[in-house]
Amino acid sequence: GAVVSQHPSRVICKSGTSVKIECRSLDFQATTMFWYRQFPKQSLMLMATSNEGSKATYEQGVEKDKFLINHASLTLSTLTVTSAHPEDSSFYICSAAQVRGLAQYFGPGTRLLVL
Amino acid sequence: EDKVVQSPLSLVVHEGDTVTLNCSYEVTNFRSLLWYKQEKKAPTFLFMLTSSGIEKKSGRLSSILDKKELFSILNITATQTGDSAVYLCAVYAGGTSYGKLTFGQGTILTVHP
Repeated sequence: GAVVSQHPSRVICKSGTSVKIECRSLDFQATTMFWYRQFPKQSLMLMATSNEGSKATYEQGVEKDKFLINHASLTLSTLTVTSAHPEDSSFYICSAAQVRGLAQYFGPGTRLLVL
Repeated sequence: EDKVVQSPLSLVVHEGDTVTLNCSYEVTNFRSLLWYKQEKKAPTFLFMLTSSGIEKKSGRLSSILDKKELFSILNITATQTGDSAVYLCAVYAGGTSYGKLTFGQGTILTVHP
């Protein structure tokens, strides 16, 4: 149980394009989903918290107009990196929790490379 | 500011050894502490600890929380090469941070055959 999928697993795009990453909880309903970013040899950095049916809450320093988050249902959240630039290249990981404050289960991550 | 500190930052052992990983925390209104294992991809959940002194066990892995001294340990006995990974400790705090995990920097464990 508690499986979270993420798609795509890897994406390479040109600078200026937008990239959409999907996060799905496969066998449970997630009222809250989270988006993290991880740089090599560093720990996870929370970007935003997404609650089903409401606007995402962004962490300080994260541009909400650049990283658009939609949590349309209890099993799906999407992160769109708009007008991606090389500095956006990173490992993006989502997680899902059935209820806020319970264990978060992570997706396999999406490696984004912007050329 | 909530803080989670793990030690050691890296550890190299041989198969069969027992290791203890440490996690200390300073957070406002502590709720729970979680351990994750991260190999090449995203973290996989190991344990969630809420109460002091109650050991959680899964196979060769076990963990315990001390809320008075504000730390947790993760023990791995009879280590195997497959245990090589980054082990992450994370804490849930209350208040305005409720529902958000604060992660430690991780311990890199390398198990040699």
